[in-house]
Amino acid sequence: KNQVEQSPQSLIILEGKNCTLQCNYTVSPFSNLRWYKQDTGRGPVSLTIMTFSENTKSNGRYTATLDADTKQSSLHITASQLSDSASYICVVSARLSGGYNKLIFGAGTRLAVHP
Amino acid sequence: ETGVTQTPRHLVMGMTNKKSLKCEQHLGHNAMYWYKQSAKKPLELMFVYSLEERVENNSVPSRFSPECPNSSHLFLHLHTLQPEDSALYLCASSQEGYGGADQPQHFGDGTRLSIL
Repeated sequence: KNQVEQSPQSLIILEGKNCTLQCNYTVSPFSNLRWYKQDTGRGPVSLTIMTFSENTKSNGRYTATLDADTKQSSLHITASQLSDSASYICVVSARLSGGYNKLIFGAGTRLAVHP
Repeated sequence: ETGVTQTPRHLVMGMTNKKSLKCEQHLGHNAMYWYKQSAKKPLELMFVYSLEERVENNSVPSRFSPECPNSSHLFLHLHTLQPEDSALYLCASSQEGYGGADQPQHFGDGTRLSIL
């Protein structure tokens, strides 16, 4: 069964600190993995995309890693800011015939950054 | 601005009412989606339209009825909803098919629906 598990469910950190969010998946056939950020009251916005051959990708203070062998990904946030407070959703894409992708969503990690 | 606009942003309705949610995308995409987002649960895909044809319906109750009149507009018609249907309803669009398989879905900001 295609599944995406995220941990922790929620996290509180102090401004300026680093944190790491985890994503484990069982999805086949794997196409790519994205991390989305969802601010309160807004829709999700894509942060990074990683394909099978990529181990790490950065977007500013966000760095995503992918281990395709263990089927794990992490999102590391450096020097957190208050604006990082949001839900972070791991989404794994399964490649279907015809070039279409089926997305499997994790339940998200809710991050709160406190001053 | 994500290029995907949803209206209304908030909707409160009784169980016997009929209402519609609207989604419009300005990105030139060929696929549009409706999702339901409930607290602490993964997004649930409801409907997929590709080139204005419905290609996926994930066992959604018939009280939800989608309509896609063209590639830029998507509606979700609601009637006789239940309290458990209260949730955030998100619309998304993407460019699908060969050459577009790695393109992200662009989401609107959702309609927060409350059923009394």
